[in-house]
Amino acid sequence: GAVVSQHPSRVICKSGTSVKIECRSLDFQATTMFWYRQFPKQSLMLMATSNEGSKATYEQGVEKDKFLINHASLTLSTLTVTSAHPEDSSFYICSARGVDTDTQYFGPGTRLTVL
Amino acid sequence: TQLLEQSPQFLSIQEGENLTVYCNSSSVFSSLQWYRQEPGEGPVLLVTVVTGGEVKKLKRLTFQFGDARKDSSLHITAAQPGDTGLYLCAGRRTTSGSRLTFGEGTQLTVNP
Repeated sequence: GAVVSQHPSRVICKSGTSVKIECRSLDFQATTMFWYRQFPKQSLMLMATSNEGSKATYEQGVEKDKFLINHASLTLSTLTVTSAHPEDSSFYICSARGVDTDTQYFGPGTRLTVL
Repeated sequence: TQLLEQSPQFLSIQEGENLTVYCNSSSVFSSLQWYRQEPGEGPVLLVTVVTGGEVKKLKRLTFQFGDARKDSSLHITAAQPGDTGLYLCAGRRTTSGSRLTFGEGTQLTVNP
């Protein structure tokens, strides 16, 4: 199956700093990438959908100025958590979908801890 | 209101038992996927079903898509401790474009 990577896998930062998470599709071109947030023992919550070369579409309740998404190429999307606070601590997962397919492949996730 | 109702939410069984997880909705889905997720990792795709009434088997796992494409089930035969994990169903509605809607998940624990 298709491979999606995320970097870093874990990050600990101080409150007020910004953190960037990268999501890469390694062996296919991802026209659409999705960013999710997941709390322990819960399902995935979609934060935003991004298409290569265009602005991301954010879900209701997700602050676009706080969670900056860039999808500059067909293999890379980034999520930047700006001015992070402890309540932003969570497991962030990206997924990618290629051309002419319904299947989404997920990255391994990034554990963000804000102190 | 959850678009995809998954049940049960938690399931703890002994090795060798059978189990079924259900995923129900009042909406029609063009496709439905089942994922398994282990702690600290991303979800791994198990199967995609697209045709009403479709049944797919993956070793001890049997997946079924309802005739009306509104529901699905996952049946595991002779569960093993390695089956432990969070099982997620996710569907793409005919009217929602690219968005994948997730169920709440079923946390399965198989005790040796």
